[in-house]
Amino acid sequence: QKEVEQNSGPLSVPEGAIASLNCTYSDRGSQSFFWYRQYSGKSPELIMFIYSNGDKEDGRFTAQLNKASQYVSLLIRDSQPSDSATYLCAVMTPSGSARQLTFGSGTQLTVLP
Amino acid sequence: DTGVSQDPRHKITKRGQNVTFRCDPISEHNRLYWYRQTLGQGPEFLTYFQNEAQLEKSRLLSDRFSAERPKGSFSTLEIQRTEQGDSAMYLCASSGRGSTDTQYFGPGTRLTVL
Repeated sequence: QKEVEQNSGPLSVPEGAIASLNCTYSDRGSQSFFWYRQYSGKSPELIMFIYSNGDKEDGRFTAQLNKASQYVSLLIRDSQPSDSATYLCAVMTPSGSARQLTFGSGTQLTVLP
Repeated sequence: DTGVSQDPRHKITKRGQNVTFRCDPISEHNRLYWYRQTLGQGPEFLTYFQNEAQLEKSRLLSDRFSAERPKGSFSTLEIQRTEQGDSAMYLCASSGRGSTDTQYFGPGTRLTVL
């Protein structure tokens, strides 16, 4: 079982709709959760991070965390064609000095004009 | 404020050759990470430095791979005797002091081994 699971997609939504991206993780000790956006051929770009259960909003983006269910999601409101990219969920699980992120394989999002 | 920079951006080499990549982190960041990403996958952790100390290495990092951060500033990743399976995007990230450990990625170095 992969440590961080995402639906690979592709996920298509019409412009202006809400895109919902989901991620589950296996290690209950995980404490920090990150969403990155990656355009084709480019490097990951940080969108949001979340540490506490509940919702965290930043502009059109809302991250949701449920540690009991080991579930993280990202909602994108008023989706734009420029949001078309692969969205990577990343989890940090403290272990000694370790600070590495464990990534899912990403969900490819296409926003249709 | 400049972000993470990496050099070169692209590298094509023949199997068996050695290659070296450089990463310059965000200036005030003391933590530096190397990841590798292949097509259709998320980045995979390779190694981590705090200042000049290499504190963590992945099992993915075979003995052909070595990384250094001699003065706690820039870092180099060297791959010896490259193999076709080493073809990937090599990503560097840095994070600052404190507990958040939010990592910011550089543009990456795309390696193609022929």
